[in-house]
Amino acid sequence: EMQLVESGGALVQPGGSLRLSCAASGFTFSSYWMTWVRQGPGKELEWLSYIIDRGTRTWYADSVEGRFTISRDNAKNSLYLQMNGLRVEDTGVYYCATDRGSFGSSPNSGAFDLWGRGTMVTVSS
Amino acid sequence: DIQMTQSPSSVSASVGDRVTITCRASQGVRTWLAWYQQKPGKAPNLLIYAASSLQSGVPSRFSGSGSGTEFTLTISSLQPEDFATYYCQQADSFPYTFGQGTKLEIK
Repeated sequence: EMQLVESGGALVQPGGSLRLSCAASGFTFSSYWMTWVRQGPGKELEWLSYIIDRGTRTWYADSVEGRFTISRDNAKNSLYLQMNGLRVEDTGVYYCATDRGSFGSSPNSGAFDLWGRGTMVTVSS
Repeated sequence: DIQMTQSPSSVSASVGDRVTITCRASQGVRTWLAWYQQKPGKAPNLLIYAASSLQSGVPSRFSGSGSGTEFTLTISSLQPEDFATYYCQQADSFPYTFGQGTKLEIK
């Protein structure tokens, strides 16, 4: 069964750091571009970051650029999100997800078809 | 950044109804547009990618259309399990962005 499982969410004070992990199983993790998306309490989805299959290219939302770092370890079938300088507005459920794969001449589709259940991050004093 | 605006923000409908949700982009995104369904406490579920391609396993009552700046998601005959929140998302340029969501409620 194809599966993603996030972990690492916690209660942290403003200015603190957390590292989220996403463990993949049931598919060839190293072949897929991966993303992190979050959802604040009662709010809409917010795309955060994206990494290519080899891990050599990344992109970020303006709201997290310079504070968050996405990475992956294909040998461990794992995706990570290092979050520094956390703010109250970073509170929410953090999801990892796979890009569904190549589309036309593009190596990615920009659409996310496999999601984890999410991990909760609360930033509060 | 490209802003995605969905309308309506909420809609009430009955089982068997046909429902259409619109998503407008602040600039052209060609057909780099996806639709998701999300139920409370659950992760989103991909319905449509590339504006009109039905994701494997998604019922055929769901369809998508549009290109450029205006897109629609249509549910041809609502089923009880379709009551949820729907989001569009552009993937034409970074940063990717989602719409604010449309909540589909039972009338």
